[in-house]
Amino acid sequence: EVQLVESGGGLVQPGGSLRLSCAASGFTFSSYWMHWVRHAPGKGLVWISRINSDGSSTNYADSVKGRFTMSRDNAKDTLYLQMNSLRAEDTAVYYCARAEYSSSSRHFDYWGQGTLVTVSS
Amino acid sequence: DIQMTQSPSSLSASVGDRVTITCRASQSISSYLNWYQQKPGKGPILLIYAASSLQSGVPSRFSGSGSGTDFILTISSLQPEDFATYYCQQSYSTPRTFGQGTKVEIK
Repeated sequence: EVQLVESGGGLVQPGGSLRLSCAASGFTFSSYWMHWVRHAPGKGLVWISRINSDGSSTNYADSVKGRFTMSRDNAKDTLYLQMNSLRAEDTAVYYCARAEYSSSSRHFDYWGQGTLVTVSS
Repeated sequence: DIQMTQSPSSLSASVGDRVTITCRASQSISSYLNWYQQKPGKGPILLIYAASSLQSGVPSRFSGSGSGTDFILTISSLQPEDFATYYCQQSYSTPRTFGQGTKVEIK
């Protein structure tokens, strides 16, 4: 059974840092691109970042570029999101998601349960 | 960035009703359109991918159609477990943008 379990969320002051983790199981983690998506209170889903299967390539939303860094450890089947210079508007539930790619489709077929990040003084 | 616009933002319906949700892209995205369902406190679940392909394990009352810029999610007969928020997402280009969501509530 595919499972994605996020952790590392919590309360942090503006300007602070947090590192989120996403532990994967039930599939060959090193074969899949992975993404982070966040859901702010009362708002919709927002794509944050993605990483390719071997970790050599990443892309970020403009809202987090230069502040957030996505990485992975395929030996540990774990995905990371290092978040620096946090702002109040980064307050959200953060989800990791597995990407499934084919010639005609690209979609997120499994998601974690999310971890809450609250940025407040 | 490609903008995704869903309508309506919310709707009230009864069990057994046919429900349709529309999603419009700001430019052509071919069939790179996915639909997700999200319930409070839970991660999203993939319902439809590539505009019209039903994800394994998803009930057949869910269907998707469209291509280019206009897409539709249909629930043929609304069930109690379908009351949730639904999001479309384009996967044509990065950033992978989502619609603002459609909340389906009990009438």
